[in-house]
Amino acid sequence: SQTIHQWPATLVQPVGSPLSLECTVEGTSNPNLYWYRQAAGRGLQLLFYSVGIGQISSEVPQNLSASRPQDRQFILSSKKLLLSDSGFYLCAWIFPGLGLHTQYFGPGTRLTVL
Amino acid sequence: GENVEQHPSTLSVQEGDSAVIKCTYSDSASNYFPWYKQELGKGPQLIIDIRSNVGEKKDQRIAVTLNKTAKHFSLHITETQPEDSAVYFCAARALPANTDKLIFGTGTRLQVFP
Repeated sequence: SQTIHQWPATLVQPVGSPLSLECTVEGTSNPNLYWYRQAAGRGLQLLFYSVGIGQISSEVPQNLSASRPQDRQFILSSKKLLLSDSGFYLCAWIFPGLGLHTQYFGPGTRLTVL
Repeated sequence: GENVEQHPSTLSVQEGDSAVIKCTYSDSASNYFPWYKQELGKGPQLIIDIRSNVGEKKDQRIAVTLNKTAKHFSLHITETQPEDSAVYFCAARALPANTDKLIFGTGTRLQVFP
């Protein structure tokens, strides 16, 4: 069966510090991968998606970047965090080969920038 | 691009009553509509989905209806229980299709009172 992991689960970082959040998927190959951000009490904002290794598409201009160094690994980064980067970050995957379009979410990382 | 509107933003019901959440979408080419349930501090979990070739789908106490002509779809929860309390998100599959991006509604906070 497929499993998606995110770490860390929670993170408190000072303004101006770097960021690295990791997402890995087990039990599938060639997934599409997605990073979302959810501000407190708000909806899901798509930040980045990737349809393959090294292929990253950005949805909104921002202080963050994403990379996909391996097939089942997706990393969200920042060189200098802003207060507005605080939020709940969710990774999701889909296996397009099945044609089912279903996205599955990870447990999330709660980031607080102080 | 695709836009999804969701109503109401909050919904309070008595245990045993029914709850209905409605969403409208803008892109008539959208063909996949999932519903997610998000409990506090967790990632969204898929609870039911529907594709554009069917008008209704049911899974125990949960049902989803789709009206392609009017471009709206609804989630129906019958015999609500306190554990149904959560935030519910609707979504529509955006184009281009090979990205499998989802556009989410803004969420409905459902509270079921015992």
